[in-house]
Parts: sequence; structure tokens; C-alpha cells
Amino acid sequence: QSALTQPPSASGSPGQSVTISCTGTSSDVGAYNHVSWYQQSPGKAPKLLIYEVSERPSGVPDRFSGSKSGNTASLTVSGLQAEDEADYFCSSYAGSNNYVFGSGTKVTVL
Amino acid sequence: QVQLQESGPGLVKPSETLSLTCTVSGGSMRSHYWIWIRQPPGKGLEWIGFIHYSGSTHYNPSLRSRVTMSIDTSKNQFSLRLTSVTAADTAVYYCARPVGVDNRYAFEIWGRGTMVTVSS
Repeated sequence: QSALTQPPSASGSPGQSVTISCTGTSSDVGAYNHVSWYQQSPGKAPKLLIYEVSERPSGVPDRFSGSKSGNTASLTVSGLQAEDEADYFCSSYAGSNNYVFGSGTKVTVL
Repeated sequence: QVQLQESGPGLVKPSETLSLTCTVSGGSMRSHYWIWIRQPPGKGLEWIGFIHYSGSTHYNPSLRSRVTMSIDTSKNQFSLRLTSVTAADTAVYYCARPVGVDNRYAFEIWGRGTMVTVSS
């Protein structure tokens, strides 16, 4: 299966909001609500931010929110902070016990 | 809380077998799925497969012919074997556990990752 499509980069000033898209197909993002988002800082393991499209694990600030429309999922980071500068990856269940990740988006805090 | 730690050789020769183990501490393996994911240098993430506490497995179709996962609940460990490796298998390998019992869709707990280089 092909990787989900994300913009290579996104940026915003502190306090602003940035939204990252994750485009799949009717066989993955469009078919299931098993969409997740991960934050990865350099040299670190990914951290789960959002699961089941819009659920946040305990400890993740509510500045992070997720949504989905059709074949595209989105992650919004509100009130950008310097510590939000990282790579962000989406993931989706693709049926038949298969999973696909996004290509990744580098977020820069200006 | 639950912690995961990968271990295994950092260098594997082409055509040989990559073997990694993930040790689970601070919690039970019972009823959970256990995941392997890899990330080539500078690239995105790739799901390798999962093994359930019961021993059932499922692998990425692109790797299925070369992957085997196993679990040893008495040692709180699960393992990955990848045969006939090439340079394309060079990556950081992560073990992970999904959110919640019997969930296999979102990966909440991750090991720190271990870099495996395939080179002669």
C-alpha cells in the first residue's frame, strides 16, 4: 500500500495555529476511523498525539486536535509553542490487518 | 509504567538474518498486541507487523516472505527475525504497544529504538 500524503513542511509563529493534512484513499483514511497522529523530535521515538481520528491519550495537551473529512485527516496544533517544532506523522488502518503511515511533515515554529 | 527496550546486533551482513528482541517491563503482556515498526535514516515510518499475546501474527505484505515474529511471555519478550537482509533494511527498529487492551490501531508506548545497519 502507498504512504499517506502529507505536506513536507508547515510553519507558524508562536501562539498561532497550524494544520497538517493527511490524504489517503477510500481504502484507508476514508474507510476507517483508525487514524492516528505522532510527533517525533530528532533522535527520539514517535509520541502518540491523537488516535481514532480525534481522541487524545492522557497527558497530551488539548492544543492538539484531530479531524477527518472523506479521505483526508487533519491535525491542528493551536497556540504553537517552540517545543512543538518536530516531525509529525499520520497513520491509518488500511484493512486486512495492514497499516500505512504518512510521509511526514516538518513543523517549524518561526 | 510499561517500558519497552529493543536489543540486538547493530550491524548485520547482507543476505544474513536480522534478529531483535523487545523486553517489556513494568506491566503485563497479557491481551495486548505487540508491534514492530522501522524508520530508515531520514525517512518515514514503516509498519512491519504485530504479534498478539496469544501468538497470532500479521505482517506487512511487502515483508511477509522474510519476517517472523515470536513471543515469550515467561520472559516478557517478543522478537523479530528478518531474513535475507539488504541495505534497504538499514533502519531504526522500534517495538511498540498500542493504546489499550486488544487494540492494534494506535501505538502509544514505544521503545527508544535500535539502529541496525546492513553492511559487509
